[in-house]
Amino acid sequence: NAGVMQNPRHLVRRRGQEARLRCSPMKGHSHVYWYRQLPEEGLKFMVYLQKENIIDESGMPKERFSAEFPKEGPSILRIQQVVRGDSAAYFCASSLRVPEAFFGQGTRLTVV
Amino acid sequence: DQQVKQNSPSLSVQEGRISILNCDYTNSMFDYFLWYKKYPAEGPTFLISISSIKDKNEDGRFTVFLNKSAKHLSLHIVPSQPGDSAVYFCAASIKAAGNKLTFGGGTRVLVKP
Repeated sequence: NAGVMQNPRHLVRRRGQEARLRCSPMKGHSHVYWYRQLPEEGLKFMVYLQKENIIDESGMPKERFSAEFPKEGPSILRIQQVVRGDSAAYFCASSLRVPEAFFGQGTRLTVV
Repeated sequence: DQQVKQNSPSLSVQEGRISILNCDYTNSMFDYFLWYKKYPAEGPTFLISISSIKDKNEDGRFTVFLNKSAKHLSLHIVPSQPGDSAVYFCAASIKAAGNKLTFGGGTRVLVKP
């Protein structure tokens, strides 16, 4: 049973470009969460999705950030017009209807 | 507003001894608590959890204690092994709020051989 898969592992974008981060949850998991870890900080919740629905996006910045979890395919976290402050590690986690969530390896975004 | 705090940024312990990691929280609505371990450049790995209706949960070398009145939990690792060297995160959730995790800032543990 494959774990949570994230790609790419590393992503470099110039300021103003778009970043797309992908997450395939564990087989059978219908709950997907995105978290962000800024340098030297803990993980911060961004958004919680179920298939085709955003359940809680209270941690998402109001502009430039969006997320989806379509009926088919991976969950996508999209950052438009990236800025240097978006440089961070972005982690996806999936779970069944339980609190224990299992994390992917993360995508390290560097904005240059 | 940091609802989950790990006040010790680092901890050094001798191999074979006990590691004790502490975590405090402020939100009394939290009803589930988890510990994750993280190596550099990897995602967090789930270690152990505890529901707010319990005060202790044990899994092998790992034991988590919960003191609801003090809003405090701790993770005991005994005996500590060099492979335990990592950053440990405490997290809390509210089941009715979709189980999103609120993390502490982490404690870096170094186990010396």
